[in-house]
Formats: sequence, C-alpha cells, structure tokens
Amino acid sequence: EILLTQSPGTLSLSPGERATLSCRASQTFDNNYLAWFQQKPGQAPRLVIHSASSRATGIPDRFSASGSGTDFTLTISRLEPEDFAVYYCHQYGTPPWTFGQGTKVEIE
Amino acid sequence: DVQLVQSGGVLVQPGGSLRLSCTASGFAFSIYWMHWVRQAPGEGLVWVAHIKGDAGEIHYADSVKGRFTISRDNAKNTLYLQMHSLRDEDTAVYYCARDPVGSIPCDYWGQGTLVSVSS
Repeated sequence: EILLTQSPGTLSLSPGERATLSCRASQTFDNNYLAWFQQKPGQAPRLVIHSASSRATGIPDRFSASGSGTDFTLTISRLEPEDFAVYYCHQYGTPPWTFGQGTKVEIE
Repeated sequence: DVQLVQSGGVLVQPGGSLRLSCTASGFAFSIYWMHWVRQAPGEGLVWVAHIKGDAGEIHYADSVKGRFTISRDNAKNTLYLQMHSLRDEDTAVYYCARDPVGSIPCDYWGQGTLVSVSS
C-alpha cells in the first residue's frame, strides 16, 4: 500500500495570501495519477486537481498543482474565504487507492 | 444533473450487519466504476471498495475484506455495500462516489451516510 504523507498538518493564513501544500508518496505509482480534494465541514469531498496538475471542471485558476514521482504540490495563489478547508491528496494509479491524512488551511 | 443519493444513517451493535445504498441519476450508471470511501469522526478519507460497471471486477481494502460486499443493480441505478461483523472501528461516514476511470478519479460523491457501531 502506498503511503501519502501531507505537510504541514495545518496552515494558518490570511485571505489574499499564498498557500503551498505538499504531498509525498512512499513509492511511485502508475500514470502519475495524483488528485487533490477539498473538504469542508459536513460536506463530501470535492475534486480540485487530477492527473497531478489538471484542474477539475469549475475549479478557478488560482488553484494550481505540480509534481511527479513521489513529490507533489498544490498551490492556491491568493486565498479566498471559500478556500479555507481541509485538502487531501489521493493516488489512484496503483491499487489499493490511498489518501493522505489531510492539510487544514485555516484563517489566521 | 449528476446525483448520488445515499440511504440514511443508522446505529448498529457490534457484530451486527447493515446494507448501505446509493442511488444514481443523471448519468449512464452502468458504464461507471463506483467506489465506497469512509471517514471516521475527525479523521481522513479511507478507500473501502470499488466495482466495475458490469460488476466484472471488484476490489476491497484489507480492513474490510471478507466482511463487506460491494454490489450493484444497474437496472435500478443503485450501488450497495453489505456490511457484516461490524466493529467499533467501522464507525464512519460512508460515501459512494462515481469514477469515470482513466485520468479523472472520483468526480461526484454522495452526501454520505453515518454508520455508528456501538452497544
């Protein structure tokens, strides 16, 4: 099973600031199939990024992502109030699919 | 619009059984892989199981293998998760999710069902 480790655990920032989230895999996985999900309290996860760097439908361009192999990054260029949430990375290239433990982006 | 509507939450005793359902609309259900993902209170997401559109391929997480069964009825556009021998650690919100396969992972999710295992 591929372990995904996210850092930091919590990111305390103000609206308008830049957020950088990291996800490191314990080994490589097929097709660079790495996704990022956003989850707000009481809601289901929402797909933000797929294939390591492609924005999902309807996701604003302040969200960007990069990475390959075992190191991946999600960047939110200028935080909007609606962006404060928990973000999970997820690899879906090599079964069993796995998720990171999450990074909480909170208002400072 | 794509919708996944899940059955309601429930309290069940340890060792008990339960079947969750997830009814789909707004897309061709029978051609999509479907997943179950769970989230214990205050914890992260954990993949549980998935099933191919024609049910010809099924996989489980080790933690539920032999106790949970994923199935689907394409005539009813419904996904199921039959759970047996439930344990305290199975307490979680269970989500169903649609998987287009290929480069896009689970793109639509149900609202979640809270399963509480407690005596």
